[in-house]
Amino acid sequence: DAKTTQPNSMESNEEEPVHLPCNHSTISGTDYIHWYRQLPSQGPEYVIHGLTSNVNNRMASLAIAEDRKSSTLILHRATLRDAAVYYCIPPDVQGGSEKLVFGKGTKLTVNP
Amino acid sequence: ETGVTQSPTHLIKTRGQQVTLRCSSQSGHNTVSWYQQALGQGPQFIFQYYREEENGRGNFPPRFSGLQFPNYSSELNVNALELDDSALYLCASSLAVGLAGYGLNTGELFFGEGSRLTVL
Repeated sequence: DAKTTQPNSMESNEEEPVHLPCNHSTISGTDYIHWYRQLPSQGPEYVIHGLTSNVNNRMASLAIAEDRKSSTLILHRATLRDAAVYYCIPPDVQGGSEKLVFGKGTKLTVNP
Repeated sequence: ETGVTQSPTHLIKTRGQQVTLRCSSQSGHNTVSWYQQALGQGPQFIFQYYREEENGRGNFPPRFSGLQFPNYSSELNVNALELDDSALYLCASSLAVGLAGYGLNTGELFFGEGSRLTVL
């Protein structure tokens, strides 16, 4: 099973970019990297996922290292609403079926 | 709004009792995953149901069981409740797609707001 390492917490100021790192050195060559976030008192929500190259969507960008052992979630302009726990998740493949297994994540604090 | 609804939102039980939590998945989704989230921790995978059959299980004892119905809604049952079962129980629905050579891809998970269980 692929394991991830994320900082326990990070802090940012409103309207500044935020780079959330994740190490996943044991990921296999065909596993996507998924990122979810969980706002206070809510269920997790999907942010972005990618395989090899950088990915962008309306919420964030995902930069994946060339060796795929790490990735960085980029919030281009943090808002107060982005304060959440961010989870980097390589899938856990059991019996040919992919599951998403969460770790502890990074708690992002956004200062006004 | 994810279209995933869970009930009840809060409940209190005593040790030894049994509980059933319910999840209505998003329209068109064929897979339901259940997670347990203790206070201050990330969600822990309990099990997943795909087309009414259990399709993978995390490190939870057999007293945690589930069902998925033909309309893809789901139940989580926990027997002989223990104090440590106090947690937020999250349901997530997704559209799993079988990919030749890659197995079953779970796809994006859509979570409900969870059921907060307190065991006294």
